[in-house]
Amino acid sequence: AQSVTQPDIHITVSEGASLELRCNYSYGATPYLFWYVQSPGQGLQLLLKYFSGDTLVQGIKGFEAEFKRSQSSFNLRKPSVHWSDAAEYFCAVTPMFSGGYNKLIFGAGTRLAVHP
Amino acid sequence: DTAVSQTPKYLVTQMGNDKSIKCEQNLGHDTMYWYKQDSKKFLKIMFSYNNKELIINETVPNRFSPKSPDKAHLNLHINSLELGDSAVYFCASSQDGQYRVTNEQFFGPGTRLTVL
Repeated sequence: AQSVTQPDIHITVSEGASLELRCNYSYGATPYLFWYVQSPGQGLQLLLKYFSGDTLVQGIKGFEAEFKRSQSSFNLRKPSVHWSDAAEYFCAVTPMFSGGYNKLIFGAGTRLAVHP
Repeated sequence: DTAVSQTPKYLVTQMGNDKSIKCEQNLGHDTMYWYKQDSKKFLKIMFSYNNKELIINETVPNRFSPKSPDKAHLNLHINSLELGDSAVYFCASSQDGQYRVTNEQFFGPGTRLTVL
C-alpha cells in the first residue's frame, strides 16, 4: 500500500539552529514528492516539490529538500530557522501514473516549535 | 484577492443536522478537491472534481455529497452529521487534468466543523 511516514511528530529547535524534517515513502515506483507547511489556523502552502532531475530542490522561505531513491526519503532542511517557521509540516506524495490526477497522500505531519 | 475561499470558517452544529460548506477558486483551475483533517492533523483526500465531473471518491460515507455547479465551485453537503465528522475540511484546486499532472494544489483556509 502507498504510504508516507514522518517519524517525528514534534520537533523543537532554537532560533538560528539548523533543521531537518524526515520523510519516507513506500511506493512501487518513484512518486512525485511535496512538502507543505500549515501555519496555525491556516491552509496549506507548498514549500517545494520534486518530480525529476536534480535530487536537491530549493523551495520558498529558504527551505530545501533532498530526494534519496535508495532510502525512499525526501527530507526537508533549513540551515537557520526563524521563529516564524513554527508550524506543521507535511510531506506528501502522488503516484507518477495516477491517470492524470494529482491525488496527494499525506504523512501525519511534524509540528515544529522554535525557541527564541 | 483570495485564490481559494471557503465558507463558513467555523461551523458548530448538533448531531443529525444537515450542513453545507462552500468552496470557490478564482485561479481558473480545472480540478478541485476536498480533504478532511482529523483531530490528529492527519489529512486525507475525500473527493476530486475535474470540470464538474467526479473523478476521485475515496470511500467516503454516502452522507457526504459533493456538488460542483461549475468548475470554479465545489460544495460539500453533509447529511445526518455524526460526532466523528468533526474535523477541519480543506478545499483545494489545481490545474491538473486527465493529461496534465504534477501541478501544485492550492488550499483554502479550511472550515472547522464541530458536531455536538
